[in-house]
Amino acid sequence: AQSVTQLDSQVPVFEEAPVELRCNYSSSVSVYLFWYVQYPNQGLQLLLKYLSGSTLVESINGFEAEFNKSQTSFHLRKPSVHISDTAEYFCAVSDRGDYKLSFGAGTTVTVRA
Amino acid sequence: DTAVSQTPKYLVTQMGNDKSIKCEQNLGHDTMYWYKQDSKKFLKIMFSYNNKELIINETVPNRFSPKSPDKAHLNLHINSLELGDSAVYFCASSLGGTGYTFGSGTRLTVV
Repeated sequence: AQSVTQLDSQVPVFEEAPVELRCNYSSSVSVYLFWYVQYPNQGLQLLLKYLSGSTLVESINGFEAEFNKSQTSFHLRKPSVHISDTAEYFCAVSDRGDYKLSFGAGTTVTVRA
Repeated sequence: DTAVSQTPKYLVTQMGNDKSIKCEQNLGHDTMYWYKQDSKKFLKIMFSYNNKELIINETVPNRFSPKSPDKAHLNLHINSLELGDSAVYFCASSLGGTGYTFGSGTRLTVV
């Protein structure tokens, strides 16, 4: 099973500034990679995912993440954040063919005006 | 249309009681899950069913018993509730493990 490390537990950022959330996983076997967002007192929403193909994946609300197999990383970025991006962000990984999704500990993003 | 729905949303109960949480998905997915989110927001898988068959059973007290009557439903029954069971429980479903859809969660508080 995968082990997932989110290197930053809290990231404070000013509105319209860029943000990067770092995620590393333990094994270089074929994987599926996901980023989920959890707004206060809500469930988990899929932000974006990597299954195959282009290593750069994008979401509809301006986030992007890049799969780096050699570094076993899947960092999430947004060039300009909004107050509404304040939330908890989770990186998750599963081995291809496995049914077990393992989560990182989460990164709390707080956007300030 | 709610993709993965779980009930109840909130559950407050006393120690020693037995309670159930229900989950239904209308996505046609073949696999369903229960995850537990603790007070530090860490998410850990508890169980997984694929086509009604139990395929993942993590180290969970046997007071927790999942039941899947069909591919679209996965319920969680908890016996003899303890204070440490207080958490948010999420149901999820997936198709072939390529995408996971989560319910809105059940916040269980044991007093």
